[in-house]
Amino acid sequence: GAGVSQSPRYKVAKRGQDVALRCDPISGHVSLFWYQQALGQGPEFLTYFQNEAQLDKSGLPSDRFFAERPEGSVSTLKIQRTQQEDSAVYLCASSLGGLAGAEQYFGPGTRLTVT
Amino acid sequence: TQLLEQSPQFLSIQEGENLTVYCNSSSVFSSLQWYRQEPGEGPVLLVTVVTGGEVKKLKRLTFQFGDARKDSSLHITAAQPGDTGLYLCAGPRTPLAGQNFVFGPGTRLSVLP
Repeated sequence: GAGVSQSPRYKVAKRGQDVALRCDPISGHVSLFWYQQALGQGPEFLTYFQNEAQLDKSGLPSDRFFAERPEGSVSTLKIQRTQQEDSAVYLCASSLGGLAGAEQYFGPGTRLTVT
Repeated sequence: TQLLEQSPQFLSIQEGENLTVYCNSSSVFSSLQWYRQEPGEGPVLLVTVVTGGEVKKLKRLTFQFGDARKDSSLHITAAQPGDTGLYLCAGPRTPLAGQNFVFGPGTRLSVLP
């Protein structure tokens, strides 16, 4: 595919369950970003990878959130012991990287609902 | 982290009307980006402005970066229903952050036919 893809598109989890969200970036894109978008709000930065290196994870809201990109391509965002406040759309974006302000291409997001 | 505010929060207008939405900060940004997001999709980049006072046009959309690089505006001429969406501005989270962006809360625009 030509764009960023995310799966699943929708996820319903019971409070306390663990979830894993997948992002397939555009082939060849060095940088990968995860954002959390609450209803009616703009995206909030969670974490950033350059290749397999996680360069910034300052936006992760708690130690229940964990992200990885082991081979510098596909990335997984894992949320342990989900809570209701984790309900949001989780967006992944990728960019060529290396340039300040390089265009980020967003996937459609995964809508997580914690009941 | 530098913060961005957007106004108005919501805007509902009739097809053919003109409108302006605003993005403001107390901080200086090296660049600002504007995105449009439609329901069920991720944001799509419309434009990047990098020079104070810069004006960029994209068909019926005109983007301006303030002289002091603390604010930006988006003007839409003769709005169409296809312009409906969430308009987001974004800029580097810190002065040295090249690619990590902070987003404003967005302006939700509805253009009625």
